[in-house]
Amino acid sequence: AQKITQTQPGMFVQEKEAVTLDCTYDTSDQSYGLFWYKQPSSGEMIFLIYQGSYDEQNATEGRYSLNFQKARKSANLVISASQLGDSAMYFCAMREGPNSGYALNFGKGTSLLVTP
Amino acid sequence: SAVISQKPSRDICQRGTSLTIQCQVDSQVTMMFWYRQQPGQSLTLIATANQGSEATYESGFVIDKFPISRPNLTFSTLTVSNMSPEDSSIYLCSVEGQGGSGANVLTFGAGSRLTVL
Repeated sequence: AQKITQTQPGMFVQEKEAVTLDCTYDTSDQSYGLFWYKQPSSGEMIFLIYQGSYDEQNATEGRYSLNFQKARKSANLVISASQLGDSAMYFCAMREGPNSGYALNFGKGTSLLVTP
Repeated sequence: SAVISQKPSRDICQRGTSLTIQCQVDSQVTMMFWYRQQPGQSLTLIATANQGSEATYESGFVIDKFPISRPNLTFSTLTVSNMSPEDSSIYLCSVEGQGGSGANVLTFGAGSRLTVL
């Protein structure tokens, strides 16, 4: 079963606007971590933001914030004041509890295009 | 976070040949992870490589097809053996490190983009 679901294959946003990229997850573990990565066309994977399952506050990193709704098992990424350089693939990922090892499960990704 | 160098960055290979991808980290790490990203797809974990022991492979990946070496704490190789066009992918090496939030975060190399003809 898919552990990470990203339902938006592609998104458009105008420069300087905010955009939300959706991510839902499936786990029975109480302890888990949620991650967002950005992959530009060059192919590298760039870490953006992390949310732990026990963190009570939503994570923020500069223009990135994570809208964490634990009961709904969603961890949406919000990018504020979009820039042309934000155009890329965005992947949501989850690491489950210690018994599941240290690897990340990735969603299928959302392609974001920022237009002038 | 760790700096990871991967070689080659890209290559075009003939069907039936094998290619070895190298991953060098600028610090000592216990575990290294190898991922595959097929065209237009997400990342899938191939195996976890610990220094001094056999790599642990995920379901659907076998050692004969993807042999891995981990001779020391800063280096690993992944070989893609007897390649077919279905092996055309980006192969990424990654290691764990401390993120700004204090969480363990995976840092990735720039990837090796293989095209098999």
